[in-house]
Amino acid sequence: SQQGEEDPQALSIQEGENATMNCSYKTSINNLQWYRQNSGRGLVHLILIRSNEREKHSGRLRVTLDTSKKSSSLLITASRAADTASYFCATDAGNYQLIWGAGTKLIIKP
Amino acid sequence: DADVTQTPRNRITKTGKRIMLECSQTKGHDRMYWYRQDPGLGLRLIYYSFDVKDINKGEISDGYSVSRQAQAKFSLSLESAIPNQTALYFCATNAAEQETQYFGPGTRLLVL
Repeated sequence: SQQGEEDPQALSIQEGENATMNCSYKTSINNLQWYRQNSGRGLVHLILIRSNEREKHSGRLRVTLDTSKKSSSLLITASRAADTASYFCATDAGNYQLIWGAGTKLIIKP
Repeated sequence: DADVTQTPRNRITKTGKRIMLECSQTKGHDRMYWYRQDPGLGLRLIYYSFDVKDINKGEISDGYSVSRQAQAKFSLSLESAIPNQTALYFCATNAAEQETQYFGPGTRLLVL
């Protein structure tokens, strides 16, 4: 069974706009991670946020975590065509096995 | 050269055939994982190995087996392939105590 649910399933925005994706999960976690997957290729780690953190930044990425609501959001600012990809959240409950959400497909229109 | 490689990248096989997917890594990581990805779903863990002598079943191990031939190599076998094993298969690795995982490029498998 999957831990995470992501919404929206798909998101289409204009280049330069901000993109926000959300992830909800079911059980307690040690950390939550976001990965990017370009069309049918391997996943690439983007950012990790620990359960005792509320917000984290990396370049144009901003991640928030609300453990009381069991949810996280990923914000990509000033989107670019190269950001077109699927984005997945994955939760780690402390046993180093990641449980994955179904992903958000992001399309950046020129 | 890629740190995590998978062979083959694409494979078409018939129902009932035995096939093997291979994963090699040059990162020196102890831990290796096999996932499958189906359209509209996230990754699901098939098997994982925390070192050469350690093999563990994941969420969906039925119909699959694995072999950890060396620290750098982890193979996934489908003993008797069936059409609902058609999927994209990923190998991933990480070091002990490392939380993030590094992925191979994937193997697209079609079972007819």
